[in-house]
Order: sequence, then structure tokens, then C-alpha cells
Amino acid sequence: GDSVTQMEGPVTLSEEAFLTINCTYTATGYPSLFWYVQYPGEGLQLLLKATKADDKGSNKGFEATYRKETTSFHLEKGSVQVSDSAVYFCALSDMGTGNQFYFGTGTSLTVIP
Amino acid sequence: EAQVTQNPRYLITVTGKKLTVTCSQNMNHEYMSWYRQDPGLGLRQIYYSMNVEVTDKGDVPEGYKVSRKEKRNFPLILESPSPNQTSLYFCASSLTGQSNQPQHFGDGTRLSIL
Repeated sequence: GDSVTQMEGPVTLSEEAFLTINCTYTATGYPSLFWYVQYPGEGLQLLLKATKADDKGSNKGFEATYRKETTSFHLEKGSVQVSDSAVYFCALSDMGTGNQFYFGTGTSLTVIP
Repeated sequence: EAQVTQNPRYLITVTGKKLTVTCSQNMNHEYMSWYRQDPGLGLRQIYYSMNVEVTDKGDVPEGYKVSRKEKRNFPLILESPSPNQTSLYFCASSLTGQSNQPQHFGDGTRLSIL
């Protein structure tokens, strides 16, 4: 079945450091891929998405490229800020599995000044 | 304001006492879904609904029921709660059930079953 494997945390970075959070997936069909962010005490918010191979999603300085050949969707940001501290979830949705969504386990990021 | 509203936000109850967590969205979305979030396991889908009167099981449906009588509401029912259902629950909705549609999440309901 479909699944998402996400880099385990927690991750601690200094402000202005480069961020990479790895995400790989297994899917039977043609999935869309998402990154969501969860701030403390809140629900998940969409950060970015990509709906087909080679698409690049981007938002608020974050980027991720849908790589079908490596089944990956790694999240990157060139210079993190304290306000980026949150939990990040990689997710996929696959029409081939009946409209279900699959989430990774989440990666906690703490950015220190 | 476009939103998904869950109630209650927090609930402590006892084993076997039926409870309902309500979920309502004001965006005229067709697709709605329930998840539970547990440490180390991420979010797992419990049930989802493509539209009114259409519901399907997700990965972890045991011990839960749902109904979709109106487009805007998708309550989660625990007929006989047990301690292993202690978790953080999220309701979400999206415009359609197409895979390229992102979901909008509520703020969560923290359930503790004693």
C-alpha cells in the first residue's frame, strides 16, 4: 500500500542555517505530494504542494521538488528563522487508493537565535 | 472566515461512555475526513467522505463511526470509547476528493479516555 517515510527529528538549527527534511514515498498510482506545517496547539496548514513529476512547490522560502525517479519530495529552505519552528509533515494523496491521504510521522524543527 | 470547526477542543471521559466530536466546515467542501495523531505515528486517517451520504474507511476505522447527512457536518462517534482511543483528533476538508486538492484542518480535539 501507499506510505510516506519522513526523516526523524527533532532537528535543531541556528537561525539562517540551511534546512533539509527528507521525505520518500511509495504509491501505486499517480500521487500528489504535500508538505504541511503544524504550529503548537494548532491544526495542520498547507505549506506547499506538487501534483506531478518534476513540479516544484514553493511558499515562504520553502521549496520541494517532486522526483519520481527517486520517489522523493524533500523540503528545503535556504535560511531558516526562529518563526519556522514547528512540526513538518510530508503527505501524499493517491487517486489509485480511493482518495485516501497518507502522512509521514512528522519532523520537529527548532530554530535557535 | 473560511474554517473547519471542531468541538469540543478537549474532553476527558471514561471507558464505555459514548461521545461525539462534531466537525463543521463553511467552505462548501465536498470531501471531509477524520484523523488521529499519535506520537511517532504521525496522522492516520480514520474515515473520509467524498460527499453527502458517502463514507469510506481509512486506515484505522475500528471503534469509530461517522455520518454525513449534511455537506457541512461530519461528526465522529465513539460508541464505546477505550483508553487506546486517547489521542489528538483532527477533522479536515477539501473542495473535492481529487488528489491534487489540499486539505484544510481544524484546530484539533484532544480526547483522554480513562
